[in-house]
Amino acid sequence: GAGVSQSPRYKVAKRGQDVALRCDPISGHVSLFWYQQALGQGPEFLTYFQNEAQLDKSGLPSDRFFAERPEGSVSTLKIQRTQQEDSAVYLCASQGFFNEQFFGPGTRLTVL
Amino acid sequence: ILNVEQSPQSLHVQEGDSTNFTCSFPSSNFYALHWYRWETAKSPEALFVMTLNGDEKKKGRISATLNTKEGYSYLYIKGSQPEDSATYLCAFTSSGGANNLFFGTGTRLTVIP
Repeated sequence: GAGVSQSPRYKVAKRGQDVALRCDPISGHVSLFWYQQALGQGPEFLTYFQNEAQLDKSGLPSDRFFAERPEGSVSTLKIQRTQQEDSAVYLCASQGFFNEQFFGPGTRLTVL
Repeated sequence: ILNVEQSPQSLHVQEGDSTNFTCSFPSSNFYALHWYRWETAKSPEALFVMTLNGDEKKKGRISATLNTKEGYSYLYIKGSQPEDSATYLCAFTSSGGANNLFFGTGTRLTVIP
């Protein structure tokens, strides 16, 4: 497609459930970023890939969060044993030339 | 974590009014300053990427200025229209990093017809 897509757009999970969020970046974009936006806050960096290599995961809030990009294209952010504080919008961005990041519409996760 | 601040937090203006918002960011290790417009249920849309001190960019009725020495950027909207209603986010990238964005909390603009 022409832009970054994310699925699902909305996800409701019961506390303790595992969830998987998908990101399809713009074709050919080498760099991919995940951000988390909690209510009332700006998006915060979670992790960064260059092709299939995860070069920075310093923003992942706990070891329940795991991201992968096995073939250097589609990426999945997995959250194990979800907690209420994981409720947020999860944004994915792929980076083109000139350091411009193109964002998907986000996945809104609600943990009950 | 780098501190990026935006003001005001929210703003209501009448259609046809001009308005502006502020973004302040660390002046050291500056690489780029980004402005995004984020409408509800849509993807954040890139407005500007600015790298040079004194830079001024324009896109239709929207323009932005950059002062890297004092660490601030202004976004201006001339003759606001209802379709300008959105959250405007600024984000900073530092030199020597992985180009991950450090965002402010945004300014939510509502244009009243």
